This record gives sequence, C-alpha cells and structure tokens, in this order.
Amino acid sequence: EPEVTQTPSHQVTQMGQEVILRCVPISNHLYFYWYRQILGQKVEFLVSFYNNEISEKSEIFDDQFSVERPDGSNFTLKIRSTKLEDSAMYFCASSESQVVAYEQYFGPGTRLTVT
Amino acid sequence: SQKIEQNSEALNIQEGKTATLTCNYTNYSPAYLQWYRQDPGRGPVFLLLIRENEKEKRKERLKVTFDTTLKQSLFHITASQPADSATYLCALDTGRRALTFGSGTRLQVQP
Repeated sequence: EPEVTQTPSHQVTQMGQEVILRCVPISNHLYFYWYRQILGQKVEFLVSFYNNEISEKSEIFDDQFSVERPDGSNFTLKIRSTKLEDSAMYFCASSESQVVAYEQYFGPGTRLTVT
Repeated sequence: SQKIEQNSEALNIQEGKTATLTCNYTNYSPAYLQWYRQDPGRGPVFLLLIRENEKEKRKERLKVTFDTTLKQSLFHITASQPADSATYLCALDTGRRALTFGSGTRLQVQP
C-alpha cells in the first residue's frame, strides 16, 4: 500500500541553525501538507500546497518557514534560524482529490529537537 | 476562531464493550468532520469522514454520528479489543483543506 515517507526520523539542531525536513508524498496525490505536534499537545496545521504554490497557511507559518516541491517527488519544509520552541514532531501529509471531502495520509513524522 | 473539544482525555473500558468518544465544536459549521487514530510516536491514521448532511457513517466495527444542531460528533468502537488502544483524534474540515484537530481521547481497552 502506498505511504507517505519522511526523512530524517529524528533531527537534532542548534538554535539559530537552518533545517530542512523532507517528505515524499503518495505519488498520485495533488495536495500536500505540513503539520506539527509539540510533545503532549494537539496536531497543528502549518501549511497546504497545491499546484506548486501555498494554498493555505496558519499563523504559525511565519517568515521563518518555507515549503518547496523541488522535483516531482519530494516536498520539503525549511525552518530558518530555528528556535527552542520549534522542537516538535513534524508530520507531512498528502491527499489525492480535488473534491473538497478528502482524507489525508500522514507520514511517520520527523522529530525535531532544537538545543 | 474554531474550537474543537474532545471532552475525555482518557477512557478505560473492558474488552468486548463499546467505546464511545465525543467531539464538540463551536464557532463554525464544518462541512466535514474526520476521525483519526494516533499511536505513540506515529502519525495520525485516517479512520472515517462524515459530511454535514450525513447523520451516521459506519466502517466495520466503527461508527460515527454527526449532529450539526448539537455541534457534536460521536465515535463508537463496538466489540472493542486491546489492539484498539490508541489516541483518537477528531478533526474539523471547513473546506479550506486545513484540518483543525482536537486534543484527542486516549482509549485503553483492558483484556
């Protein structure tokens, strides 16, 4: 069964450094998303991406964040100048349909630890 | 802004019983509501989606109801098994492709 994959599974970085989290969505899917989950808290929407541009973004997704689909398979989240409060699990997700009712397929996540 | 609440942080039941989880929302009438399962350290896994014009949806041992008047969804697992132990998340879909998740209910099924 097709699945969303994410690399790395765990990333440790120092405060102020840049990190790139990578995702390979399911191949025939059209919409891509990033969510984050701080330990013990809710899953929070960051951004959605369609047709090579941002479709929606939350208040969390400020100028520190950017997304890119550099080729036909990868979808990346870049965090510039990481802060301690960026430590969280970051989930990539994708969905196939242009119909509004859709299910999202989540990857296993990347645990980001900022020290 | 939207608010979605799952009023039980944890639920413990005996194997074979029916688990019922509640999701309440305010401030918006969502077009769709979804339920996901999340295991520790893993990503959410989609279970069921119910539209605003649907009262009930079933899938195997799972059943979801949606009451737009009460602004509430109930999620039922019948004949529960220890393998059903996990955190269950409800999520609002307002049609903008941005899911708003509840904080989850941690279900523990005792053998």
